[in-house]
Amino acid sequence: DAMVIQNPRYQVTQFGKPVTLSCSQTLNHNVMYWYQQKSSQAPKLLFHYYDKDFNNEADTPDNFQSRRPNTSFCFLDIRSPGLGDAAMYLCATSRGGEDQPQHFGDGTRLSIL
Amino acid sequence: DQQVKQNSPSLSVQEGRISILNCDYTNSMFDYFLWYKKYPAEGPTFLISISSIKDKNEDGRFTVFLNKSAKHLSLHIVPSQPGDSAVYFCAASANAGKSTFGDGTTLTVKP
Repeated sequence: DAMVIQNPRYQVTQFGKPVTLSCSQTLNHNVMYWYQQKSSQAPKLLFHYYDKDFNNEADTPDNFQSRRPNTSFCFLDIRSPGLGDAAMYLCATSRGGEDQPQHFGDGTRLSIL
Repeated sequence: DQQVKQNSPSLSVQEGRISILNCDYTNSMFDYFLWYKKYPAEGPTFLISISSIKDKNEDGRFTVFLNKSAKHLSLHIVPSQPGDSAVYFCAASANAGKSTFGDGTTLTVKP
């Protein structure tokens, strides 16, 4: 089955220690998204790639970076995690276009010690 | 200011009855609306969508209604089944496939 896979499912890191979350897709979709979701809140878009074009949301902290080395993979780097960065991080893909639904991975739950 | 609002955090209905989940939006530039369903420990999955040029879209037990003048949409599930118990997110899209999500409504369908 074509799918979106996030690794790891659970990640624990120390305050200030860089961490990388990964996402891969077999759907061959043009667009990949990273969302942050905190408990009982809406998923909040951090950034997205349309092919190789990177699009950062205006309110995404500089602490968050992303890489998309190829169509299939996308990484979220948190350079110096703070306690407020503990959340579920969701990766999604789509074909692009407002009428295209997004396909989500199961998320990575990040904890900060 | 939240542009997509789901004002009911939770909803409980009896199996076989209708479930109605509501969503309001403020941005008149939104022209495509989607509903996603999320089970615990899984990512959201797409359920149904509607374009702003329509006022209704139906897919089996699921129907979405759009009232543009009121900036309101609703998802109807008839008949509701226990397997429908999940968190439902409303999302709105304006361009380039970017969606703005609501906070979700947790639906519980009791047998």
